[in-house]
Amino acid sequence: QKEVEQNSGPLSVPEGAIASLNCTYSDRVSQSFFWYRQYSGKSPELIMSIYSNGDKEDGRFTAQLNKASQYVSLLIRDSQPSDSATYLCAVNMFESNTGKLIFGQGTTLQVKP
Amino acid sequence: GAVVSQHPSWVICKSGTSVKIECRSLDFQATTMFWYRQFPKQSLMLMATSNEGSKATYEQGVEKDKFLINHASLTLSTLTVTSAHPEDSSFYICSARGLQGARYEQYFGPGTRLTVT
Repeated sequence: QKEVEQNSGPLSVPEGAIASLNCTYSDRVSQSFFWYRQYSGKSPELIMSIYSNGDKEDGRFTAQLNKASQYVSLLIRDSQPSDSATYLCAVNMFESNTGKLIFGQGTTLQVKP
Repeated sequence: GAVVSQHPSWVICKSGTSVKIECRSLDFQATTMFWYRQFPKQSLMLMATSNEGSKATYEQGVEKDKFLINHASLTLSTLTVTSAHPEDSSFYICSARGLQGARYEQYFGPGTRLTVT
């Protein structure tokens, strides 16, 4: 079983719709969770971090964490064509303070005008 | 977010030569930096964890004698690809971990595209 799993997609949504991206992880002691956006040919950009159960909102983005279900998601409201990218879920799985992140394989999002 | 730079952004070298890539945290101190490699249409693969003033910790399968990492200061880490071969051609990305408010977060550099001919 992979440590961090994402559906590779592509996930296609029309402009203005809500895009829902999901991620599951295997290690129950995980404490920190991150969503990165990566445009083709570019490096990842941090868009959200979440540490506690529940929802965290930042503009059009909402991260949701459920530690009991080992599940983290990212909602993008009012999706725009510029949101088309690969979204990487990353988890800091280890209790030691190294900050080492384990990445999922990424979900490709396509927002169609 | 915090700013991390990488230099060069792209490099072409001949097989057998060595290439050095620099990673700098510009507006924060990074006690830990990470080096990743990404092949086309694949996710990031962590190569090594670099802590300031100590030896890097390499992931399984990564040759430490081929990928030399130096973390000389809290703002600079370097990756040297020694005796490069065409299969080393990839997108190399560093990230720096720094304290943002009460939490540590990790920011990526823009990446270095290496082509070995």
